[in-house]
Amino acid sequence: SQKIEQNSEALNIQEGKTATLTCNYTNYSPAYLQWYRQDPGRGPVFLLLIRENEKEKRKERLKVTFDTTLKQSLFHITASQPADSATYLCALASGGYQKVTFGTGTKLQVIP
Amino acid sequence: DSGVTQTPKHLITATGQRVTLRCSPRSGDLSVYWYQQSLDQGLQFLIQYYNGEERAKGNILERFSAQQFPDLHSELNLSSLELGDSALYFCASGSPGQAPGGLYFGAGTRLSVL
Repeated sequence: SQKIEQNSEALNIQEGKTATLTCNYTNYSPAYLQWYRQDPGRGPVFLLLIRENEKEKRKERLKVTFDTTLKQSLFHITASQPADSATYLCALASGGYQKVTFGTGTKLQVIP
Repeated sequence: DSGVTQTPKHLITATGQRVTLRCSPRSGDLSVYWYQQSLDQGLQFLIQYYNGEERAKGNILERFSAQQFPDLHSELNLSSLELGDSALYFCASGSPGQAPGGLYFGAGTRLSVL
């Protein structure tokens, strides 16, 4: 069955460092991979999308890589700030967006 | 503000009852997705509609049903409620088929079944 795995353990990082979060998937051939941020009790907020034929995407302090051979995406936040503390979710979508499946998320804590 | 409106914000009800959750998508978005999020689980995909038609179904219980109306708003009906149905229910909207983007989520409806 399709599986999306993210580190279930929280990631603690010092302010100013680069945070790297991992998303691995199996039994899936996604056309798109997305990253979202979720704060407690609130809806996820879309951050970035990367297509299967793209290797890397950047937006301000965020960078996403997508390796379809390894079936893995890495999400980087550079110069991390305490305000970046949240749970980050990766999601996979097939062509046509008929189903967008989310991983369980990784909680990031940026320590001042 | 995502532009997606969900009502009500909170719902408290008893086992065996039926409730309706409502969602208005972002202006211009044709597709609506429903997700359930429990404390011990991630976002579970329930169902997707596109321009009034059901497009994909996830692990949605038979006690649950949904529809999307001509004005594109959607309703999720939950019946014969059980304690385990207590969760946050999110609606999201998007526009598949156009230049791909993300999903835009509402603030959610917190359902408590007592």
